[in-house]
Amino acid sequence: EVQVVESGGGLVQPGGSLRLSCAASGFTFGSYAMSWVRQAPGKGLEWVSSISERGGDTYYGDSVKGRFIISRDNSKNTLYLQMNSLRVEDTADYYCARGGWSGANDYWGQGTLVTVSS
Amino acid sequence: EIVLTQSPATLSLSPGERATLSCRASQSVGSYLAWYQQKPGQAPRLLIYDASNRATGIPARFSGSGSGTDFTLTISGLDPEDFAVYYCQQRYQWPRTFGQGTKVEIK
Repeated sequence: EVQVVESGGGLVQPGGSLRLSCAASGFTFGSYAMSWVRQAPGKGLEWVSSISERGGDTYYGDSVKGRFIISRDNSKNTLYLQMNSLRVEDTADYYCARGGWSGANDYWGQGTLVTVSS
Repeated sequence: EIVLTQSPATLSLSPGERATLSCRASQSVGSYLAWYQQKPGQAPRLLIYDASNRATGIPARFSGSGSGTDFTLTISGLDPEDFAVYYCQQRYQWPRTFGQGTKVEIK
């Protein structure tokens, strides 16, 4: 069974940093691009970032470019999102999703909540 | 960036009725459009990929059509479990973008 499970969310002050992780199982992790998508409370979905199968190519949304870094460790079947210089407007549920490069996001985790507040 | 505009914002229907949701792109996305369903407190679920292909396990009452800039998601007969928010997303160009969502609510 394909599973992706996010962790690492929590409360952080503006300007702070946080690293999210996404543990994948049930599929050959290194054969799939991966993505992060977020959803602010009561709002719609916003694509954040995607990374290619081997990690050599990455893309970011304008709202996080220069502050967030997506990475992956295929030996650990894990996707990461390093979030720096966090802002109040980064408060959201962050979802890890398989795909998003040459295909749609076909499997999603349950999300991890990041709250940026003083 | 490609802007996706979904209409209507809210659709009020009764179980068994047909639902027709629209997604319009600001420029052509070919057939690289997906539809997702999201229920309160849950993660999104992929319904349709590449405009018209049902994802694994998705019931046949869900169908997608369109290409270029105009796309439609049709639910042929609403089941009580289908009342949710639906989003379209394009993967034609970076950045990937979502529509603002259509809420299908019980009338």
